[in-house]
Amino acid sequence: EVQLVESGGGLVQPGRSLKLSCAASGFTFSNYYMAWVRQAPKKGLEWVATISTSGSRTYYPDSVKGRFTISRDNAKSSLYLQMNSLKSEDTATYYCARHAPYYGYDSPFDYWGQGVMVTVSS
Amino acid sequence: DTVLTQSPALAVSPGERVTISCRASESVSTLMHWYQQKPGQQPTLLIYLASNLESGVPARFSGSGSGTDFTLTIDPVEADDTATYYCQQSWNDPWTFGGGTKLELK
Repeated sequence: EVQLVESGGGLVQPGRSLKLSCAASGFTFSNYYMAWVRQAPKKGLEWVATISTSGSRTYYPDSVKGRFTISRDNAKSSLYLQMNSLKSEDTATYYCARHAPYYGYDSPFDYWGQGVMVTVSS
Repeated sequence: DTVLTQSPALAVSPGERVTISCRASESVSTLMHWYQQKPGQQPTLLIYLASNLESGVPARFSGSGSGTDFTLTIDPVEADDTATYYCQQSWNDPWTFGGGTKLELK
């Protein structure tokens, strides 16, 4: 059974940093592109970052580019999101998601974790 | 960015057929996907590449469309289908989601 379990969320002040982790199990982690998707309270979904199987390629929307860094450790079947210079608008539930194995980073998200809440507030 | 527009909400009775639409501001070919999110839960993939049913998803769900206009159909609707449905495109970077359509059962 595919499982994605996020951790590391919490309350953080604007301008500070936070690192999220996602522990994957039930599949060969190193074979899949992985991603982070967020959802602000009572709002819709927003793609945040994607990383290739080896970690050599990363992709971000402009809203987080230069502030967020996605990384992975295939030996530990773990995905990470380093978030710097956090803003109030980054407040959201952050989901770890697996890209389906059809193409690459343009594949849909076929498994999602339960999510972890990040609140940016003074 | 590619904007995906969905109707905010729909209300239908169990047993009826419902169509949920998603219109893209520019062509996304057939790289459109649909997700279901029940309250307090993570999204789940229903349809990928516009019309392909994800494994384990009931055949009551189907998808169609290409270019800028897409449809998710549920026929017949069941009480358990109460949820918010999101479309998502992966043709134009950055990948974007629609605002979601909240489906309520009468």
